[in-house]
Amino acid sequence: NAGVTQTPKFQVLKTGQSMTLQCAQDMNHNSMYWYRQDPGMGLRLIYYSASEGTTDKGEVPNGYNVSRLNKREFSLRLESAAPSQTSVYFCASSPAGWGEQFFGPGTRLTVL
Amino acid sequence: QQQVKQSPQSLIVQKGGISIINCAYENTAFDYFPWYQQFPGKGPALLIAIRPEVSEKKEGRFTISFNKSAKQFSLHIMDSQPGDSATYFCAATNSNSGYALNFGKGTSLLVTP
Repeated sequence: NAGVTQTPKFQVLKTGQSMTLQCAQDMNHNSMYWYRQDPGMGLRLIYYSASEGTTDKGEVPNGYNVSRLNKREFSLRLESAAPSQTSVYFCASSPAGWGEQFFGPGTRLTVL
Repeated sequence: QQQVKQSPQSLIVQKGGISIINCAYENTAFDYFPWYQQFPGKGPALLIAIRPEVSEKKEGRFTISFNKSAKQFSLHIMDSQPGDSATYFCAATNSNSGYALNFGKGTSLLVTP
């Protein structure tokens, strides 16, 4: 039981490049989330998927797109990376409703 | 706009002391208030959580105090240990956003031997 896995762990991009961050969970959770963490800012919600087949914007969605591929997988895409997107990205999942969110180990992204 | 305000930003406590972290919120629709603990290089992990129907919840050395009328809640760590040194985040949520978490900015706790 791996919990929430994220790939890659580290990535360096040049401005304008695109990439997809992958997230998968093996806990049969309904809800999945993408957050970014910046120094002194806490974690901020980018997008979430309350259930398979639905996605919604969070606090900071600009420059990102998401796909809930199936119940297990929720990917985050940067179409044209910008230095402001340098951050640590965390994926999380939860069964449904209020309750514990389980976080992945994070992806550290640097955009030059 | 930060929906949850957290203080202090950093905290140094001696081993055996009490660590106290405070949070305040504005949205009265929030109905679930968790605290997360994060060690360097790791994702956050749930520490303890409370719903507004109760004013206090205790789990081992960790206690949440909740004041609904003041829209404030706090984390108390009793008998703080060096292993408690980490960053702590309060959060708040409700069903309006799929229970996505609104985090405070975090408190970096250092417990000295």
